Formats: sequence, C-alpha cells, structure tokens
Amino acid sequence: DVKVTQSSRYLVKRTGEKVFLECVQDMDHENMFWYRQDPGLGLRLIYFSYDVKMKEKGDIPEGYSVSREKKERFSLILESASTNQTSMYLCASSLRATWTSGGKTQYFGPGTRLLVL
Amino acid sequence: SQQGEEDPQALSIQEGENATMNCSYKTSINNLQWYRQNSGRGLVHLILIRSNEREKHSGRLRVTLDTSKKSSSLLITASRAADTASYFCATSHYGGSQGNLIFGKGTKLSVKP
Repeated sequence: DVKVTQSSRYLVKRTGEKVFLECVQDMDHENMFWYRQDPGLGLRLIYFSYDVKMKEKGDIPEGYSVSREKKERFSLILESASTNQTSMYLCASSLRATWTSGGKTQYFGPGTRLLVL
Repeated sequence: SQQGEEDPQALSIQEGENATMNCSYKTSINNLQWYRQNSGRGLVHLILIRSNEREKHSGRLRVTLDTSKKSSSLLITASRAADTASYFCATSHYGGSQGNLIFGKGTKLSVKP
C-alpha cells in the first residue's frame, strides 16, 4: 500500500511566522505535489516536483517555496505566513507520467489544516 | 482555465438509490480520473479512464467518457451511507506539464440512511 504522510494534521501559526509543512512518501514515486483546498475553489496546485531538486510552479505559487532534497520528501515552506494562507494543504505523489498515458494516479496524504492568526 | 467542472455541486439521495455525477472539461485529455474525499481527509483514487475508452467499471462504480462532448459521468449504484463524501474528477491533458492533473471543484454527495 502506498503511504503518504504529512507532518501535522492541524497547525496554528501567527502572521509573519515561517511555516514548514513536510510530506513523505514510501513508494519511490518520482512526482510529488502540494495543493491547497479551499471551500468553493477546489484543489489548486501550488508546486510540484518531478525529481530530486527539481520543481515547477503550479497555479498559485506566490508566498510559497518548496524543497526536495530527497526523493521521498517534499517540503512546502510559507516564508512569512499570512491570514489568507489559512487553508487545508494536501500533499500527493505519483509515478512519472508518460506522453501516451498521461498523468498517473495520485496518492494523497491526510492533509494539514493550517490556521494563521 | 482547463479546470473540469462537476455537476451537480451537491446531491442528496436515499440509501439504495443510484447517484450520478457529471464532469465536463475544455481541452483534449489523455485520461480522466475520479477521486473521493471524506470530510477533512485526503483524496482517494477511485478509477482512471483513458481517452480511448468509453466505459469502465469497478465494483458499484461505473464511469463513462464521451470525448466528443468533453464529458464524463460517475455512477454509484445501490448507494450506502458510507458513500457520503465529495467526489472530484481530475483530467490529464496532452501537453500538460510532467503529469499534472487538473481537479474540478467536486460534487458533495450525501446518502441518507
């Protein structure tokens, strides 16, 4: 069974704090993703990584950075947390896509509900 | 935006009834996937259908794909209270970057016992 774990289920931080969200997968997947989920907006891609030290911006990268130093671990960093970053953060991983088959099944962690005060 | 759109946004049915959710998208896909999310949890993959397939079954789930109409439907037969969840379609598009999926906003299904 694929397992994706996230460092915290719930997190409360103050405005201006630096926040680290960590995600670990145990299936040797090449791709890892960070999404945020807000009511009425669905899942929005923040960043993804297709290999160690490789990253690409998603739809809403502003205010976030990421780090992938090891294949199994993908970190999301909020450099200076703001109240509009209060959200549910979801990490996912998948095998590498191919041109013919397209995006592979994504396996999600349980999510981190972040509250920024 | 390439984002898929699910319809309806919310659906409430009685246990034992069938539930049908629809998904529309805008540009050509190489596959379409359906996911389920229980309240406050991560998403769980249900089924993947490729662009050259028209129908796929998995247990009580039946997915259809009509690429000419750029739409898909998810049918859950003989629903149970445990099927209460949000359901999302996700599309993989040709030319998409490294295997990204584009998720819709979801259909919230409530199955009353």
